[in-house]
Amino acid sequence: KNQVEQSPQSLIILEGKNCTLQCNYTVSPFSNLRWYKQDTGRGPVSLTIMTFSENTKSNGRYTATLDADTKQSSLHITASQLSDSASYICVVIVTSGTYKYIFGTGTRLKVLA
Amino acid sequence: DAGITQSPRHKVTETGTPVTLRCHQTENHRYMYWYRQDPGHGLRLIHYSYGVKDTDKGEVSDGYSVSRSKTEDFLLTLESATSSQTSVYFCAIRPPQQSYGYTFGSGTRLTVV
Repeated sequence: KNQVEQSPQSLIILEGKNCTLQCNYTVSPFSNLRWYKQDTGRGPVSLTIMTFSENTKSNGRYTATLDADTKQSSLHITASQLSDSASYICVVIVTSGTYKYIFGTGTRLKVLA
Repeated sequence: DAGITQSPRHKVTETGTPVTLRCHQTENHRYMYWYRQDPGHGLRLIHYSYGVKDTDKGEVSDGYSVSRSKTEDFLLTLESATSSQTSVYFCAIRPPQQSYGYTFGSGTRLTVV
């Protein structure tokens, strides 16, 4: 069964600290992987996209890594800010005849001053 | 979110009543999707459209119908709302090029009492 699991479910950190969110997937055939940020009361917004051959992709203070062999991805946030408080959703895209998104349940991050 | 709007943003309705949610886009994208988001679940696909009058079911389509008579509008109808349909509903759009990914609307919070 295609699944995307994220950990931790929730996380609280102090402003300025770094953190890493994890995503494990059992999805095939794999096309690419995206990380989305979802602010409270808003729709998800794409942060990064990674294809099978990419190991690292950065977007400002956000850095995503992908290990296609172990089927793991991580999202590292550097020097966190209050505005980073949000849910972060890992999505694996499958292309097996149809184009399909498999969503993780997300990690809820709270950054405290 | 730019290019995609959902209406209403919030709605409370009674069990057994019909409800229609609207998704409107100005991007002229071919693909449109309806998802629901519930605690403990990743976003789950209800229905999607790949063109005017072309729609198909997703993984949680029971109790929902959709229509797309114009490129810009995708309607989701709950024929007879039930409490289990209390959720946040998101519309998403994307162009044919798979690398561009989804753009999500801001969501509709529906409460069925």
